[in-house]
Amino acid sequence: AIRITQSPSSLSASTGDRVTITCRASQGLSSYLAWYQQKPGKAPKLLIYAASTLQSGVPSRFSGSGSGTDFTLTITCLQSEDFATYYCQQYYSYPFTFGPGTKVDIK
Amino acid sequence: VQLLESGGGLVQPGGSLRLSCAASGFTFNIYAMSWVRQAPGKGLKWVSGMSGSGGSTYYADSVKGRFTISRDNSKNTLYLQMNSLRAEDTAVYYCAKGILMVVNPDYYGMDVWGQGTTVTVSS
Repeated sequence: AIRITQSPSSLSASTGDRVTITCRASQGLSSYLAWYQQKPGKAPKLLIYAASTLQSGVPSRFSGSGSGTDFTLTITCLQSEDFATYYCQQYYSYPFTFGPGTKVDIK
Repeated sequence: VQLLESGGGLVQPGGSLRLSCAASGFTFNIYAMSWVRQAPGKGLKWVSGMSGSGGSTYYADSVKGRFTISRDNSKNTLYLQMNSLRAEDTAVYYCAKGILMVVNPDYYGMDVWGQGTTVTVSS
């Protein structure tokens, strides 16, 4: 199975900050990577797929980049509703695998 | 577009449960679907997936041989039959709709998720 690591595992930030989360895969994924946001007690929400395609309805302050083994999720101008846990997921091969998550909380 | 899971509950180790996921608001039979679980306080783990036609199925190693995914496209419903349940299967189980991928439709991110159903395996 493809292993996914995320860094950092958690971070504290303030409203208005720029936040960057990194996802690294144990083998190349081309662009077969998605990013999700999850808030406590809620289902995950798709933010980005194909590494950099913004899901319909997701604010443009979210962006994704990368290909191969290294990917980045960037949130520019962090808003209060963005405090959550973020996961990346590879769908290059089965079994699909998720990163361990990055919790973004209020500084 | 909505997914509604049901069928979770408390079951003893070694027991069985069948989860259902009722879909509405989209053409169910053209979309691949997956089950994803989340143990208490833990991250997301993909469990199983099925192509839109039902012709292809996929499983995580941890559930292979114990869980069976299926779908009834006439009822717009996805199922997960879970046998020989273990304490480590305790989790919230989500069903999720795959994004329609023109190339490689069995390989997808998941754009719609249900609210989840809780499975607790304990004596």
